Amino acid sequence: QVQLQESGPGLVKPSETLSLTCTVSGGSIRSYYWSWIRQFPGKGLEWIGYIYYSGSTNYNPSLKSRVTISVDTSNNQFSLNLRSVTAADTAVYYCASDPTLGGRGLFFDYWGQGTLVTVSS
Amino acid sequence: DIQMTQSPSSLSASVGDRVTITCRASQSISSYLNWYQHKPGRAPKLLIYTASNLHSGVPSRFSGSGSGTDFTLTISSLQPEDFATYYCQESYSIPHLTFGGGTKVEIK
Repeated sequence: QVQLQESGPGLVKPSETLSLTCTVSGGSIRSYYWSWIRQFPGKGLEWIGYIYYSGSTNYNPSLKSRVTISVDTSNNQFSLNLRSVTAADTAVYYCASDPTLGGRGLFFDYWGQGTLVTVSS
Repeated sequence: DIQMTQSPSSLSASVGDRVTITCRASQSISSYLNWYQHKPGRAPKLLIYTASNLHSGVPSRFSGSGSGTDFTLTISSLQPEDFATYYCQESYSIPHLTFGGGTKVEIK
């Protein structure tokens, strides 16, 4: 069974870049599509985007101008960079796996436990 | 964007109760609807994918149904470990994928 673990700073200053990494164990990063999802303090969930091991990506249009997701196949990791953050980006950030190859019908079969990122000066 | 409306937003139920949660899409999403269970501080868990398919390892008391715009998640006999928040998620409108607002199931 795939296991995912998020890591990165818990506090980011406004206007800076939020950077998180997800480490995949129990499976190959070449086997799935890999997503980032966030949950706001009011509990709403928002999909950020996904990446395939080839480097192919797809982003939520509402975040596309500020987001980059990258993959490191040698370390079985993928990463999220979110630029120009504001307090509205404060959330718990999850990484998750998608076994459906990222098309219509995709779902997330395994998730990390999440990491809280607070945007504050 | 497609809007996903879950109801109720919360409910109180007893162990052994039959529980039904509804998710309504603002337009037809065929059967591209998934359900998750989330407990505080834990990783969310996939329960049902593509409206009615039980994910591996999920107890058979969970079931999903529906197509088009109206979907339901049913727990046939609520167990103590089922007290959690449940979310629906549509995957018809990639990359505009959206989640429902959640239904919190509490102990009566």
